[in-house]
Amino acid sequence: KAGVTQTPRYLIKTRGQQVTLSCSPISGHRSVSWYQQTPGQGLQFLFEYFSETQRNKGNFPGRFSGRQFSNSRSEMNVSTLELGDSALYLCASSQSNTGELFFGEGSRLTVL
Amino acid sequence: DQQVKQNSPSLSVQEGRISILNCDYTNSMFDYFLWYKKYPAEGPTFLISISSIKDKNEDGRFTVFLNKSAKHLSLHIVPSQPGDSAVYFCAASAGDNNDMRFGAGTRLTVKP
Repeated sequence: KAGVTQTPRYLIKTRGQQVTLSCSPISGHRSVSWYQQTPGQGLQFLFEYFSETQRNKGNFPGRFSGRQFSNSRSEMNVSTLELGDSALYLCASSQSNTGELFFGEGSRLTVL
Repeated sequence: DQQVKQNSPSLSVQEGRISILNCDYTNSMFDYFLWYKKYPAEGPTFLISISSIKDKNEDGRFTVFLNKSAKHLSLHIVPSQPGDSAVYFCAASAGDNNDMRFGAGTRLTVKP
């Protein structure tokens, strides 16, 4: 079956703009998590959604938000972009609560 | 708050020798630990996991050891192969929860 799909793969924005990233989980997976990857910081947990509800949230400012739709697809939004938001944003889906995460290839955001 | 730490950003080993990647954690509530491997331009992929009720889990060339008292786990790869060259992330979660925390990663290079 198809893996986790993230769009767009690459995008360039300028400071102050906002961006929306999309994630389609593996069919049947109801949990979707988002991570930010930057050099030296590894994967920083943003939030996790399950059945359209945000269950967990990492330590990111309110400019970072997300949502999940009834078909389990998820979007994350970053408003008022800052240079430091340049990163690879990874989405992962999971079938169970403590199972492995299946990652997409990521959306690489560059903020100029 | 780096609850999961990988203090070695890089490791280089000769093909055929053992690779040992280390990971430390601070949250004593973590009870499930995983290792992920990441190639450039791809999302991380699950490698091996271990529950806190065990102290060792083996899968082919890969073995994960858990020392709960030291809050330390390690991944052993024997024998190492050039195709193992990638960034390895240690991850941990607590309870019935998909709030998975990752380390900063260790870049493993296996030289032929």
